[in-house]
Amino acid sequence: DTEVTQTPKHLVMGMTNKKSLKCEQHMGHRAMYWYKQKAKKPPELMFVYSYEKLSINESVPSRFSPECPNSSLLNLHLHALQPEDSALYLCASSQVTGAGYGYTFGSGTRLTVV
Amino acid sequence: AQTVTQSQPEMSVQEAETVTLSCTYDTSESDYYLFWYKQPPSRQMILVIRQEAYKQQNATENRFSVNFQKAAKSFSLKISDSQLGDAAMYFCAYSLKETSGSRLTFGEGTQLTVNP
Repeated sequence: DTEVTQTPKHLVMGMTNKKSLKCEQHMGHRAMYWYKQKAKKPPELMFVYSYEKLSINESVPSRFSPECPNSSLLNLHLHALQPEDSALYLCASSQVTGAGYGYTFGSGTRLTVV
Repeated sequence: AQTVTQSQPEMSVQEAETVTLSCTYDTSESDYYLFWYKQPPSRQMILVIRQEAYKQQNATENRFSVNFQKAAKSFSLKISDSQLGDAAMYFCAYSLKETSGSRLTFGEGTQLTVNP
């Protein structure tokens, strides 16, 4: 299995809702990432997990809460989002010490906050 | 801080022709990785080619090749025999060798159109 699977593919949520994005991989990668991407812009790093521990938090607002329950799963819990948080959220994974082989990305969750 | 610059927001090429996408970067490190990623309208980021900075030989993957000039901090992508399926946004990216997960620094992207 050489894929990163993200669910759901599309999500519309109100500003008072709580929702979660899910990401799963079975490649044995021990580093997992969340990126946020606005239209026609490059992805921006949000969080990095290494061996299921949060290693990088790029000063992301607390309304985004990441979780890595095991080596194959990565969640992003969303609460009280703002319309400007509407974007494509990409999950990726890589080898921890061999990230030079590149990331494997999922196809993303298109999030719309109304 | 590392930065990656793609100076061509848009490029176009005729099918079967060759096109070169430019990328420059700024770093004080000597050992790092460079990548080209492709993002078609399907949204998935796909790794096209990678280069290790300490390797002087330019990477090649089928119709895709790079011109890596370390001293000039330049990393261009050449696509030969362009196909309609090559149409996408192309991002140049940089990564340090890290032991706790590596952050990718992306350029702003080049939108490639392939004309039939």
